[in-house]
Amino acid sequence: AQKVTQAQTEISVVEKEDVTLDCVYETRDTTYYLFWYKQPPSGELVFLIRRNSFDEQNEISGRYSWNFQKSTSSFNFTITASQVVDSAVYFCALSDLNRDDKIIFGKGTRLHILP
Amino acid sequence: DAGVIQSPRHEVTEMGQEVTLRCKPISGHDYLFWYRQTMMRGLELLIYFNNNVPIDDSGMPEDRFSAKMPNASFSTLKIQPSEPRDSAVYFCASSLSGKGRLGGYTFGSGTRLTVV
Repeated sequence: AQKVTQAQTEISVVEKEDVTLDCVYETRDTTYYLFWYKQPPSGELVFLIRRNSFDEQNEISGRYSWNFQKSTSSFNFTITASQVVDSAVYFCALSDLNRDDKIIFGKGTRLHILP
Repeated sequence: DAGVIQSPRHEVTEMGQEVTLRCKPISGHDYLFWYRQTMMRGLELLIYFNNNVPIDDSGMPEDRFSAKMPNASFSTLKIQPSEPRDSAVYFCASSLSGKGRLGGYTFGSGTRLTVV
């Protein structure tokens, strides 16, 4: 069975601090995709990144970076120099690479960036 | 592209009434998904379609829920009769198989359903 765990329900940091959102996943599959989505207060779900299980290279996009470690089944997301606009709920998700397009989501982490 | 379009944005209905939620996927996408989001359970996959055919409806909570996709550009999620515990935000998403996974899904703006 597939499962995504985001142990941090809610995090608050002061603007300009760095913050890391944790994601741990479980799957019996050897090939899979991992995702992060952002849900701002307006409610829509915004795709941030996809990673496949073959590629353990870390990725950086502006102030965002992702650390994928297969050995610990983790796919953590770091925001550097956080801004108030980063306040949102962030979801980590998992999909099998070969079987179907179904994506399983974690429960999300609500991030508050305080001015 | 207009993205995934859901209607209505908000729906308030009385317990026992029938509710129909609508979704228009992105043109050319061959997968369509219905998710429900609640505080307690997070984002739950209800059902998904591939080329208009239901593939997995194991997430549909009860027989009161049904979904159809009569053509590639339209899908409905119906609840009959509705109950207060059905109150949630219902999201529709679409993707293009294979390449679609490059960008994950594209979600609609959601329908906030309140059953009183």
